[in-house]
Amino acid sequence: SQQGEEDPQALSIQEGENATMNCSYKTSINNLQWYRQNSGRGLVHLILIRSNEREKHSGRLRVTLDTSKKSSSLLITASRAADTASYFCATDAGSSYKLIFGSGTRLLVRP
Amino acid sequence: DSGVTQTPKHLITATGQRVTLRCSPRSGDLSVYWYQQSLDQGLQFLIQYYNGEERAKGNILERFSAQQFPDLHSELNLSSLELGDSALYFCASSPTGQSTEAFFGQGTRLTVV
Repeated sequence: SQQGEEDPQALSIQEGENATMNCSYKTSINNLQWYRQNSGRGLVHLILIRSNEREKHSGRLRVTLDTSKKSSSLLITASRAADTASYFCATDAGSSYKLIFGSGTRLLVRP
Repeated sequence: DSGVTQTPKHLITATGQRVTLRCSPRSGDLSVYWYQQSLDQGLQFLIQYYNGEERAKGNILERFSAQQFPDLHSELNLSSLELGDSALYFCASSPTGQSTEAFFGQGTRLTVV
């Protein structure tokens, strides 16, 4: 089973709007990562947040982490059509070396 | 370009056959991960190698096996193929054996007919 579950499964917004995706996970983690995948292509790392961090920014991306709720959110501000992709959270599932991905959110940004 | 190379890009084969997928990690990366991505299963972790040794195992079928060679490239062997094995197979690499940023190849699309 997946360690992380993203919500919503799909999101459609207008260009310029903000997009928020959520990720919930089951076990304790050392860090949580967000990746982006354009259709049928390899995943690209976006941002990593450690378990002792609560918020992190990278350009138009803002990630929050709430370890008490075992959840994270990814905010993309001022979205562009080029942001259309699937977004996945990934965790290291605690002490193991596995990098486990959630089910992903499909984002469509309409021009 | 992530620096991770996967070959072949596409593979079509018949049920019951055996195939080998190859992955060359980024220069200097010691860890290699293999994932299977199908429409109904999402991105499933199969196995991880670190510096030639198996480090973590996921939901990898007994028909599947992998190894990492001294030059750090890795191969994923899939045997007795079934229609349900049709999927995208991704390899990723990272510098260490612990979860840090992983760099993904472009994948091998396997179609079993």
